[in-house]
Amino acid sequence: EDQVTQSPEALRLQEGESSSLNCSYTVSGLRGLFWYRQDPGKGPEFLFTLYSAGEEKEKERLKATLTKKESFLHITAPKPEDSATYLCAARRAGGTSYGKLTFGQGTILTVHP
Amino acid sequence: DTEVTQTPKHLVMGMTNKKSLKCEQHMGHRAMYWYKQKAKKPPELMFVYSYEKLSINESVPSRFSPECPNSSLLNLHLHALQPEDSALYLCASSQLLGTAVGEQYFGPGTRLTVT
Repeated sequence: EDQVTQSPEALRLQEGESSSLNCSYTVSGLRGLFWYRQDPGKGPEFLFTLYSAGEEKEKERLKATLTKKESFLHITAPKPEDSATYLCAARRAGGTSYGKLTFGQGTILTVHP
Repeated sequence: DTEVTQTPKHLVMGMTNKKSLKCEQHMGHRAMYWYKQKAKKPPELMFVYSYEKLSINESVPSRFSPECPNSSLLNLHLHALQPEDSALYLCASSQLLGTAVGEQYFGPGTRLTVT
């Protein structure tokens, strides 16, 4: 059974204090590892897709990396507006799965000014 | 443009009511999804439509009835819901080329309260 585990459950940072969120996965034939940001009461916002080990993607203060067992979301010099829940999701190979995602439980990030 | 729209934003309904949630996208995506999300939990997949046909039903109770009238629209018809069905209902869409699937883009959600 596919499994995605995120850690920590919650992370509190001071503004400017860089850190990383972890997403470990057990998925047969990974066909994409996705990161989303979700603000309270809103839909998840797509951030990154990673397909193969060693791949990295960046967007502003965020950088996502992928190994064969886990993905990291690095946040450099975070600002209070980066506070949100960050969701990791994995997609397995399979022609009839039509993109079915296995989500982790999320990491709640709070950045204090 | 990566926008998925959902209406209404909020819905309060009694257990005997019939209501519908609507979702629309104009990105040319041919896969569309309904999710249910409870507080402090990740989204939980309910249905997947691919090329306007129902591809996946995650054993959802029949009081939820999906419909895909065309490639841009997705509806979720609600009937005789229970209070535990109160949640944020999310629609998503993704590009579909044969069996190759792109990333999912989510709408803002409908906050449903069943009284």
